Amino acid sequence: EAQVTQNPRYLITVTGKKLTVTCSQNMNHEYMSWYRQDPGLGLRQIYYSMNVEVTDKGDVPEGYKVSRKEKRNFPLILESPSPNQTSLYFCASTPTLLGGNEQFFGPGTRLTVL
Amino acid sequence: GQNIDQPTEMTATEGAIVQINCTYQTSGFNGLFWYQQHAGEAPTFLSYNVLDGLEEKGRFSSFLSRSKGYSYLLLKELQMKDSASYLCAVNDYKLSFGAGTTVTVRA
Repeated sequence: EAQVTQNPRYLITVTGKKLTVTCSQNMNHEYMSWYRQDPGLGLRQIYYSMNVEVTDKGDVPEGYKVSRKEKRNFPLILESPSPNQTSLYFCASTPTLLGGNEQFFGPGTRLTVL
Repeated sequence: GQNIDQPTEMTATEGAIVQINCTYQTSGFNGLFWYQQHAGEAPTFLSYNVLDGLEEKGRFSSFLSRSKGYSYLLLKELQMKDSASYLCAVNDYKLSFGAGTTVTVRA
């Protein structure tokens, strides 16, 4: 089944404790991205990657890191999480951003930072 | 930067029609998407417009006017399962989303 998977789905952590949210897609898509979703603000892009070893900042990259060592995986790293990073996070992938290619979203990761 | 505006909430009755407007100001334009998102779930693709005009897909239609920076999503014959948030997203060689419109369908 074609899908985007994220782990964990739910996470409660404390300020400053490094964490990684994994994202994997099995559709051989080149473009992957991370979003956070907060009430009233919609989906905001954190980082995106147009292909392996190519990553770039989105609209809200502060406090986050990513890597793209293989085409299928795009982990999101919070080196020192803070309470303002409490949010719902979505990973997404698409063949390319050109044309009408839809983005396929993972199920989401709900993160709480205490 | 991007500026994408849509109404926050709309309410309609089962069987009715609802039109969700989206206006945008972006430095570039490579198409506009509409996504549906049920509470607690991931967004799912509804439609894509890159040329002016109306795209119809069953009960859902989407319209685009590039000169006006305007799009709308039309939901016909509303059903209870259509209660969700509807997200307008502009492809400016990266995808930028509006805050979403929550549609509540009442019996």
